[in-house]
Amino acid sequence: DAKTTQPPSMDCAEGRAANLPCNHSTISGNEYVYWYRQIHSQGPQYIIHGLKNNETNEMASLIITEDRKSSTLILPHATLRDTAVYYCIVRVANQAGTALIFGKGTTLSVSS
Amino acid sequence: GAGVSQSPSNKVTEKGKDVELRCDPISGHTALYWYRQRLGQGLEFLIYFQGNSAPDKSGLPSDRFSAERTGGSVSTLTIQRTQQEDSAVYLCASSLATGGLTEAFFGQGTRLTVV
Repeated sequence: DAKTTQPPSMDCAEGRAANLPCNHSTISGNEYVYWYRQIHSQGPQYIIHGLKNNETNEMASLIITEDRKSSTLILPHATLRDTAVYYCIVRVANQAGTALIFGKGTTLSVSS
Repeated sequence: GAGVSQSPSNKVTEKGKDVELRCDPISGHTALYWYRQRLGQGLEFLIYFQGNSAPDKSGLPSDRFSAERTGGSVSTLTIQRTQQEDSAVYLCASSLATGGLTEAFFGQGTRLTVV
């Protein structure tokens, strides 16, 4: 069963911020939000994860709403190389036996 | 090696034949995952290994699919009596621990074509 809902596709102009939403209304208190992306013909790549506080790294920022029922991945200055399928995943941490389950993701197309 | 290594990168086999796909995880990674990705589709979870625990086989689509992980390192995914619907990219990933806050690293996959 899908724990997350994402729009199937989004477009973004090069150099602009890409804001990718994810709904996870049934998230539990001990579940983290993870984001991965898959560039065409490559294996998925980890981007960022968070529990309830906003997170930022060299790739992106993750904004999680106060009720934790949704989040937004922000690519501050999208480039053509950011064109990929972006997956939002919720997952329990600190529990053995939890596989990483991918949904359908959002296909982000960055154009010049 | 520096990353997750999968072999072969491409495999063409005749319908009905058995195939073995290999995954070399990053050294020291205790968790290992196999996924299947059909053309234009998302990642379908197949099986996951974590240390010495019994593997989670809940994603295997049929009894023609099996996987082993020897010595807690290398894993082999075996597909018996291959069918055309088995054609896909098979991806392997490893991480330090499945329960920990660590990222999973993916290999480049094995593209299987059943003719």
